Amino acid sequence: EAGVAQSPRYKIIEKRQSVAFWCNPISGHATLYWYQQILGQGPKLLIQFQNNGVVDDSQLPKDRFSAERLKGVDSTLKIQPAKLEDSAVYLCASSPLVGPYNEQFFGPGTRLTVL
Amino acid sequence: SQQGEEDPQALSIQEGENATMNCSYKTSINNLQWYRQNSGRGLVHLILIRSNEREKHSGRLRVTLDTSKKSSSLLITASRAADTASYFCATAPIQGAQKLVFGQGTRLTINP
Repeated sequence: EAGVAQSPRYKIIEKRQSVAFWCNPISGHATLYWYQQILGQGPKLLIQFQNNGVVDDSQLPKDRFSAERLKGVDSTLKIQPAKLEDSAVYLCASSPLVGPYNEQFFGPGTRLTVL
Repeated sequence: SQQGEEDPQALSIQEGENATMNCSYKTSINNLQWYRQNSGRGLVHLILIRSNEREKHSGRLRVTLDTSKKSSSLLITASRAADTASYFCATAPIQGAQKLVFGQGTRLTINP
C-alpha cells in the first residue's frame, strides 16, 4: 500500500512570498490532516478534513493560510504571504477510520524555510 | 495548544538498555497514542491505548496509562541503534476524538 505523498520535500522562499504544498493521502482514507511542526516541538494541527469538508480549522491562521481538499482526495495548503515564523515542517496525515480510535499515517513532510 | 508533555526532553542510553519515556496530559481523553519520528522524516504510529486500558504491549514496546494521574509511559526494552529517534505522545480528546494533540517529544539516542 502506497503511503501518504507530499511535495515538494523542501522549499526556500523569502518573506512575503507565497508557497503551496501538496498532499496525496492513502487511497480510501476519508480524513486528512495538515500539521505544522516547528523545530524542537511536536506537530500542531492546522486543519482537518473529512472527505472534502472542514472538520477543524481552529488553529489555522486564516489571514495567511488556506487549504482545500477538492473531490475529497488530494489537498493543498497555501501560505500567502509567508512570514519568518512560518519556517517549519508541514506534515500531511490521513486516517481511514470514522470513529473514536484513529491511527494517523504521516507523509514525509515539506520543510519550509522563510528568509 | 499542546496538551501532552514528555519527560525527559532528551535521553541517551547504551544499546541493550531499556528506555522509559513519560507523558503527562491535562484533559480527559478517549485514547493516547505514541509515535516515532526519525530525523527528517514523518511520524510513524507505534501503539494506541484506550482510556479503559491500563497496559499494552507490542513487540519490545510496553505502554501504560494511568487516567487518574493523567499520565502514560512508553518502555522500549533491549534498545537498538535503530531506536534512535524522537518519540511523541498524542492524546485524542473525548470530544472530537479524531483530533490528536501532540506533546513536545523525547529525543532518544542509543549509543552503540
